[in-house]
Amino acid sequence: DGGITQSPKYLFRKEGQNVTLSCEQNLNHDAMYWYRQDPGQGLRLIYYSQIVNDFQKGDIAEGYSVSREKKESFPLTVTSAQKNPTAFYLCASSTPQGTNTEAFFGQGTRLTVV
Amino acid sequence: EDQVTQSPEALRLQEGESSSLNCSYTVSGLRGLFWYRQDPGKGPEFLFTLYSAGEEKEKERLKATLTKKESFLHITAPKPEDSATYLCAVREINSGGGADGLTFGKGTHLIIQP
Repeated sequence: DGGITQSPKYLFRKEGQNVTLSCEQNLNHDAMYWYRQDPGQGLRLIYYSQIVNDFQKGDIAEGYSVSREKKESFPLTVTSAQKNPTAFYLCASSTPQGTNTEAFFGQGTRLTVV
Repeated sequence: EDQVTQSPEALRLQEGESSSLNCSYTVSGLRGLFWYRQDPGKGPEFLFTLYSAGEEKEKERLKATLTKKESFLHITAPKPEDSATYLCAVREINSGGGADGLTFGKGTHLIIQP
């Protein structure tokens, strides 16, 4: 089945550690996105990428990094510089700009700092 | 000021009791408005895309409408399985031509009691 796979579903991080969240899609979409969701708040855009080897910061990029070496993959690293990383992280993909299509989401990764 | 505001924050209905959810937006130019359904601990599931004022889309018990300032998600004779958080998102006209993520509202938490 075509879709977006995020892993792991749950992730625990110690203070000061970097962790990487995986996002893989087999929809042949060019654009991919990372969002953060906190209770009582809307989804907020962290980073997005239109094509391989290119990505842009979203509204809350500080303390995060990404790479886009393959069309299918868009991993997100939560660095120790992110002051409040506990949240639900969602990856999405869509067809390129110009088509203005909907984004499809993965099932999310819940990150908890312990 | 939020660009996308959803109301009410929460809504509790009896099974079969029809109602509407509101999404108002204040973007300078709307390229598309999107409705999603999100179940607890899951990623958002795409429902509808609306592109221009006057447009309507329907799916089962749901109907989405769009004006120049807001969108409504009408729920007719809802069932308990319609219980979820409903998210509204907009994509603005981007003068730079680059792909951008969606701007989300905080959602309406809908509970349908049997």
